[in-house]
Amino acid sequence: EPEVTQTPSHQVTQMGQEVILRCVPISNHLYFYWYRQILGQKVEFLVSFYNNEISEKSEIFDDQFSVERPDGSNFTLKIRSTKLEDSAMYFCASVGGGADTQYFGPGTRLTVL
Amino acid sequence: QKEVEQDPGPLSVPEGAIVSLNCTYSNSAFQYFMWYRQYSRKGPELLMYTYSSGNKEDGRFTAQVDKSSKYISLFIRDSQPSDSATYLCAISEVNDYKLSFGAGTTVTVRA
Repeated sequence: EPEVTQTPSHQVTQMGQEVILRCVPISNHLYFYWYRQILGQKVEFLVSFYNNEISEKSEIFDDQFSVERPDGSNFTLKIRSTKLEDSAMYFCASVGGGADTQYFGPGTRLTVL
Repeated sequence: QKEVEQDPGPLSVPEGAIVSLNCTYSNSAFQYFMWYRQYSRKGPELLMYTYSSGNKEDGRFTAQVDKSSKYISLFIRDSQPSDSATYLCAISEVNDYKLSFGAGTTVTVRA
């Protein structure tokens, strides 16, 4: 069964460093999302991406964040200068191919020291 | 008022019991209703999806939606220890797949 994959599973970085989180959505999906979940809190929407551009973003998704689909398969989330409060699980999700709901990847645990 | 409210529990039941989970929502534009299961430090896994009021069954799972009351439920019959997880309700509007999640209810099924 097709699935969303994410790498790395765990990323440790120093405050102020740039990180790139990578996702490979399900191949025939058209809509892509990033969510985050701070430990013990609810899953929060960050950004949606369709037709090679951002379609919607939350107030969390400030200028430090960017997304890109550099080729036909990868979807990345970049955090330019990480802060301690960016420590969270980051989930990629995709929709499309006749499905009406989102399928999530296993997540990347980001730890900012 | 939060968009989606879900009792975080925790909920502990004996094996074989019926588990009942609930969410309420405030936005009438919400039309798609999902339940996800999440194991510790893993991604949400889609369990059930519905867009109409009424009941939808899938094996031991039943999703129930009451749009007039803005209330959704998930029932797990004959619960098993492997059902121990956090259950998240998630809701979206028509033509907007962005999900609004509840806080999640942590369920433990005791053998």
